[in-house]
Amino acid sequence: GAGVSQSPRYKVAKRGQDVALRCDPISGHVSLFWYQQALGQGPEFLTYFQNEAQLDKSGLPSDRFFAERPEGSVSTLKIQRTQQEDSAVYLCASSLNRAFGPFFGQGTRLTVV
Amino acid sequence: EDKVVQSPLSLVVHEGDTVTLNCSYEVTNFRSLLWYKQEKKAPTFLFMLTSSGIEKKSGRLSSILDKKELFSILNITATQTGDSAIYLCAVQNDYKLSFGAGTTVTVRA
Repeated sequence: GAGVSQSPRYKVAKRGQDVALRCDPISGHVSLFWYQQALGQGPEFLTYFQNEAQLDKSGLPSDRFFAERPEGSVSTLKIQRTQQEDSAVYLCASSLNRAFGPFFGQGTRLTVV
Repeated sequence: EDKVVQSPLSLVVHEGDTVTLNCSYEVTNFRSLLWYKQEKKAPTFLFMLTSSGIEKKSGRLSSILDKKELFSILNITATQTGDSAIYLCAVQNDYKLSFGAGTTVTVRA
């Protein structure tokens, strides 16, 4: 596709439920990022992939968060045993390589009830 | 830790006004500064600045970077209601972006 595609656009999860968020980056983009944006805040870095290698996961808030990009294209962010504080918009972004500013997807709004 | 501060937090203007948004930063290993526009969807890329003193322009929007004083400004001239959005400033440290909290701009007809 022409841009970064994320699904689902909205997700409501009961506390304790596991969720999986999908990101389809722009074709050919080597770098892929996940960011978390709480209401009224700027996006916060979660993790960075270069192709299939996860080079930085320092922003993942806890070990309940896990991200993968097994074939260097589509990525999935998984959150286990969701908690209310996980409620946020999760943004995926991709770029040609690390030297370029990334392009963002529409985000997945996660609400944990 | 990298730090990005945007001001003002919000402002309301009338169509045709000019707005100036500020972004100051502290970052190790500075690579670039980026501006994004965020409406009810994805942040959309506006500018990427790497060199001091060189103004980048796109239509009614322009931006400039001062690497000595560690700040950038984003100007919007002849504002329109479609300019209403949150404007995000981010600094790139190698590959990672650190964002400010954003400036909410409301343009009234």
